[in-house]
Amino acid sequence: RKEVEQDPGPFNVPEGATVAFNCTYSNSASQSFFWYRQDCRKEPKLLMSVYSSGNEDGRFTAQLNRASQYISLLIRDSKLSDSATYLCVVNNPGGSYIPTFGRGTSLIVHP
Amino acid sequence: DTGVSQDPRHKITKRGQNVTFRCDPISEHNRLYWYRQTLGQGPEFLTYFQNEAQLEKSRLLSDRFSAERPKGSFSTLEIQRTEQGDSAMYLCASSVLEGGTAKQYFGPGTRLTVT
Repeated sequence: RKEVEQDPGPFNVPEGATVAFNCTYSNSASQSFFWYRQDCRKEPKLLMSVYSSGNEDGRFTAQLNRASQYISLLIRDSKLSDSATYLCVVNNPGGSYIPTFGRGTSLIVHP
Repeated sequence: DTGVSQDPRHKITKRGQNVTFRCDPISEHNRLYWYRQTLGQGPEFLTYFQNEAQLEKSRLLSDRFSAERPKGSFSTLEIQRTEQGDSAMYLCASSVLEGGTAKQYFGPGTRLTVT
């Protein structure tokens, strides 16, 4: 089993739709979690951290479920500019915070 | 520009040649990471520095790969005797520990093509 798993998609949604991605992780001792966004042929950019209590940033909501070992990202009112690959990142314990990336979920928002 | 920079942005080399890439992190960041990314995959961890000390190295990193961060600022990644399988995007990221987490900021990457 991979350490961090994501459905690669693509998720094809119309503008204005709500879309959700999940990401599962295997190490129950994982400590911190993030969502990154990566546009085609560009570097990943931090979208948001994921906190145990859940957190929201505008149209984006991130949730962490430690019991089931998954994190989620919800995007409301999708825009064309949201089209990208969304990478989930899990930092594992050990003091070095070595991040493990999922393979990413591709989102295509169409008019 | 105070972000992470990488040089060169593109490198085409013949199999068997050596290549070296450079990464300049955000100045106040003491942590520096190298990743490799191929099409359709997420970034794959290669190695990690805290200041000038190389603290972690992936088991996937063969002995043809070496990285340095001599003064705790910029870092270099060298690949010796390149193989076609080394073709990938090589990403550098830097971070600083804040509140128990380390958010990473990536450079634009060096795209390596081995012919």
